[in-house]
Amino acid sequence: AQSVSQHNHHVILSEAASLELGCNYSYGGTVNLFWYVQYPGQHLQLLLKYFSGDPLVKGIKGFEAEFIKSKFSFNLRKPSVQWSDTAEYFCAVITHNTDKLIFGTGTRLQVFP
Amino acid sequence: ETGVTQSPTHLIKTRGQQVTLRCSSQSGHNTVSWYQQALGQGPQFIFQYYREEENGRGNFPPRFSGLQFPNYSSELNVNALELDDSALYLCASSPRLATDTQYFGPGTRLTVL
Repeated sequence: AQSVSQHNHHVILSEAASLELGCNYSYGGTVNLFWYVQYPGQHLQLLLKYFSGDPLVKGIKGFEAEFIKSKFSFNLRKPSVQWSDTAEYFCAVITHNTDKLIFGTGTRLQVFP
Repeated sequence: ETGVTQSPTHLIKTRGQQVTLRCSSQSGHNTVSWYQQALGQGPQFIFQYYREEENGRGNFPPRFSGLQFPNYSSELNVNALELDDSALYLCASSPRLATDTQYFGPGTRLTVL
């Protein structure tokens, strides 16, 4: 069965630190990849997505992610985090043979001023 | 453009009861998916509806059922509630294909006592 792994369950950073959140998936076929963010008290919002083309995708609020097909990875990065980035981050994958969006367990990011 | 809306916001039920949750999809979207998000977990796919037909189902028992209406709004019904059904239930809509980006509503928090 397809699955998504997020290795970092809880990350604590100071403002201006760099961020990288890991995401790996288990499926060898065509996938669409997503990062969603859930700010405290708010609903899931799309941060960025990859369907095809340039494997380095840029999203909102300065986030980017790189799709490395050979590593089945789609890691999220931000060069300098802000206190307002405190949230839960979810990696999600949809495979073209099942059409089911599968989420990782999430990474809780806390940024301190 | 109106986003995805869900009702009610919160709900408290007792074991054995039945519950109906409602979702209005984003304008122009004809695909609706439902997810269960337990505390500290990523959303788990329940099922998806496309043009009023079920189009895929996750690992949930038959007591989880749904409907999609001609205006593409949707209902999630859960019979014979169990304590483990306590969770945030999310609805997401997408424009056309199941592999398109899904946009999430705020969710319904269900508590089963």
